[in-house]
Amino acid sequence: QVQLQQPGAELVKPGASVKLSCKASGYTFTSYWMHWVKQRPGQGLEWIGEINPSNGRTNYNEKFKSKATLTVDKSSSTAYMQLSSLTSEDSAVYYCARSNDGSSDYWGQGTTLTVSS
Amino acid sequence: DIQMTQSPASLSASVGETVTITCRASENIYSYLAWYQQKQGKSPQLLVYNAKTLAEGVPSRFSGSGSGTQFSLKINSLQPEDFGSYYCQHHYGTPYTFGGGTKLEIK
Repeated sequence: QVQLQQPGAELVKPGASVKLSCKASGYTFTSYWMHWVKQRPGQGLEWIGEINPSNGRTNYNEKFKSKATLTVDKSSSTAYMQLSSLTSEDSAVYYCARSNDGSSDYWGQGTTLTVSS
Repeated sequence: DIQMTQSPASLSASVGETVTITCRASENIYSYLAWYQQKQGKSPQLLVYNAKTLAEGVPSRFSGSGSGTQFSLKINSLQPEDFGSYYCQHHYGTPYTFGGGTKLEIK
């Protein structure tokens, strides 16, 4: 069965960077784009961007272009999102989700990122 | 970017009732519209894609309709497990923006 495994939580200091992971299993990793989505506490969903695992091609929401960098490691079927220059505004749950022609048919459990000194 | 506007923002209904949530796109997205359900503390789950195609395992009491700029999600005979938040999202070119969400609560 399709699974996307994400660490439950990360705690980082303001100004630092963090690299979130999403390990895929149960399907051919390189056959589906991967989305990343942000959700702040009590708020809605924001689409950050997507990556094609077969060739590394990316598309970003303009709002996150200077904040997020998407990469993949095909050898381990893992997608990554690096977030830089972290502030309290980056504290949120971050989801990876498999793309199916643009919609997201499988989601990870999400990583809760807390930015705090 | 395409803006997605959902209404209502919140909705109170009883078990057994029928409810409809609407979503409007700022420009023509044809039928590239998805609906998701999210329960408190959980990941979103895909309900409908391409405006009216039910995702695998979704009960038939859910139905999606619409095209162009106006869309709706209808839930017949509400069940206790249907309460939570619902989001629309267009999938017609990036960025794939979401609507603001509708919180469906028990009356």
